[in-house]
Amino acid sequence: KQEVTQIPAALSVPEGENLVLNCSFTDSAIYNLQWFRQDPGKGLTSLLLIQSSQREQTSGRLNASLDKSSGRSTLYIAASQPGDSATYLCAVSGSSNTGKLIFGQGTTLQVKP
Amino acid sequence: GAVVSQHPSRVICKSGTSVKIECRSLDFQATTMFWYRQFPKQSLMLMATSNEGSKATYEQGVEKDKFLINHASLTLSTLTVTSAHPEDSSFYICSAPRTSGHSGDTQYFGPGTRLTVL
Repeated sequence: KQEVTQIPAALSVPEGENLVLNCSFTDSAIYNLQWFRQDPGKGLTSLLLIQSSQREQTSGRLNASLDKSSGRSTLYIAASQPGDSATYLCAVSGSSNTGKLIFGQGTTLQVKP
Repeated sequence: GAVVSQHPSRVICKSGTSVKIECRSLDFQATTMFWYRQFPKQSLMLMATSNEGSKATYEQGVEKDKFLINHASLTLSTLTVTSAHPEDSSFYICSAPRTSGHSGDTQYFGPGTRLTVL
């Protein structure tokens, strides 16, 4: 059974810092991995999607890497801003690509001005 | 980008009543949609897969007679929580996949529905 773990659970940094969020999964047979952002009481916004054959994806100040063999992904946020404060969730889709996602518990990020 | 809407955004009901939540894909068609539940300070847990034109498939431990799912069209899925009880209070979120070229299927999530059962 696939399990997704995110470390740390919470993170507080001063504005401008570069930071890394970690995600690990127990079954390397995945179809893809997605990083999402969730603001309090809101739905999810997709940030980056990495296919199992890819190593990384970039969007603006965000860079996500994937090491499928070791079951790890990282989300790198450059030059953090207070507006980046949110909960970041990673989720994996199984190799059969049913569309079902298994989520980690998330990392709650606070960027202080 | 693709948009998924949910209605209502918030509902408060008495114990024993039924509540219907709608999930719509606004600018694309979705033969499959997914319903998740999120308890406070926890992650999303998949409840069921909604299939247009056929029965929904439920995850282990989810009561299909309590959480009725109807995928009425290629843009609408509904989740009905029947005879709701306080322990059903949660944040319900739907998602719909949309294929985007070489990127594969990206899941687009609705804004969620906060259900509070008194």
